[in-house]
Amino acid sequence: DVKVTQSSRYLVKRTGEKVFLECVQDMDHENMFWYRQDPGLGLRLIYFSYDVKMKEKGDIPEGYSVSREKKERFSLILESASTNQTSMYLCASSDPGQGTVSQPQHFGDGTRLSIL
Amino acid sequence: QKEVEQDPGPLSVPEGAIVSLNCTYSNSAFQYFMWYRQYSRKGPELLMYTYSSGNKEDGRFTAQVDKSSKYISLFIRDSQPSDSATYLCAMSSIQGAQKLVFGQGTRLTINP
Repeated sequence: DVKVTQSSRYLVKRTGEKVFLECVQDMDHENMFWYRQDPGLGLRLIYFSYDVKMKEKGDIPEGYSVSREKKERFSLILESASTNQTSMYLCASSDPGQGTVSQPQHFGDGTRLSIL
Repeated sequence: QKEVEQDPGPLSVPEGAIVSLNCTYSNSAFQYFMWYRQYSRKGPELLMYTYSSGNKEDGRFTAQVDKSSKYISLFIRDSQPSDSATYLCAMSSIQGAQKLVFGQGTRLTINP
């Protein structure tokens, strides 16, 4: 089974802090994703990566950055945390598939982040 | 208008009932359709994955895709309390093959 592990289940930080959320997958997947999940808004894509050191903006990248130095690890960084970044953060990974075939994504259990 | 619309519920049904969960979408380029199940305090897990139109069955679960109506459904037969969860539809196009667009999720409760 694919395992996507997020380093923290719950995290409390203060406004203005730099926050790091870590994600590791054990299936040698090339694609990795960061989402946030908010009530009434569903899952929204923040950033994704197709390969090591590659990254692309998703739908809501403002206030976030990412790092992918190794294939199995994808980090989400909140440069200066604000209260509107309080949310559930979900990491996912997937195979690239062949050509343009979409492969399902496998999710971690999320990090519930509170910014005070 | 959102690309994918899903009734957030909540939906509450008695054990043994047939459950129908639905999503509509506006982007005719969507070709891949998925259903995820998310238990409380857990990440979404893939339940069903279909390509283009048609039906797919897996045990008590059936996924239907009607591309002409831009409408997808998930049916749960003989529903069990363990099916209580939030169900998310997700879809992608060939052009954006690695990016999924999610519905809001429907919260389902099966009452014993």
